[in-house]
Amino acid sequence: DAGVIQSPRHEVTEMGQEVTLRCKPISGHNSLFWYRQTMMRGLELLIYFNNNVPIDDSGMPEDRFSAKMPNASFSTLKIQPSEPRDSAVYFCASTPWGTGELFFGEGSRLTVL
Amino acid sequence: SQKIEQNSEALNIQEGKTATLTCNYTNYSPAYLQWYRQDPGRGPVFLLLIRENEKEKRKERLKVTFDTTLKQSLFHITASQPADSATYLCALDDPYGGATNKLIFGTGTLLAVQP
Repeated sequence: DAGVIQSPRHEVTEMGQEVTLRCKPISGHNSLFWYRQTMMRGLELLIYFNNNVPIDDSGMPEDRFSAKMPNASFSTLKIQPSEPRDSAVYFCASTPWGTGELFFGEGSRLTVL
Repeated sequence: SQKIEQNSEALNIQEGKTATLTCNYTNYSPAYLQWYRQDPGRGPVFLLLIRENEKEKRKERLKVTFDTTLKQSLFHITASQPADSATYLCALDDPYGGATNKLIFGTGTLLAVQP
């Protein structure tokens, strides 16, 4: 299995631009999570989906952030407009129902200038 | 809300010694607790899961203990090797997350094993 696939691995953009991060979960996994990691705050859960349905988006910082999961094999996290404080590594993770462990992608490092 | 505390200072030990990392939580006791390893520039990788009714779990050179009275988990690596050098993250399930695997992570402890 290829594991969780994220793209792009690195993104450098200017303040105000739209950023779209992509994730392909492991086939057969029912739950998908978006986390953000910074030195100061560690790994923070932004949003998660069960069977493609958003369950809890209480971690999404503000309306500039949105996430979708149109089907079981694809999810996006969009930031519009981006700001320098959004600079972080964004991780996508998936898990099959009931096992507990998360399978993480390699992350998308975002730098907003 | 739940707070997870891991030693923010790096842990430096000699090769061959046992490394012990600590994870403390402040509020509710989770149904289970997990440990992950993260290498620079990579995503976290699952290591071990221990449930609230388990006191100890082992996997090769790894051992995890879970004390719900102390609200603490200890993570041990015996016969440590330089290849064990990484950041180790503790994670707890969120009981308000519904019937799913919603995890809250600590900020991690950096382990450096010197040859």
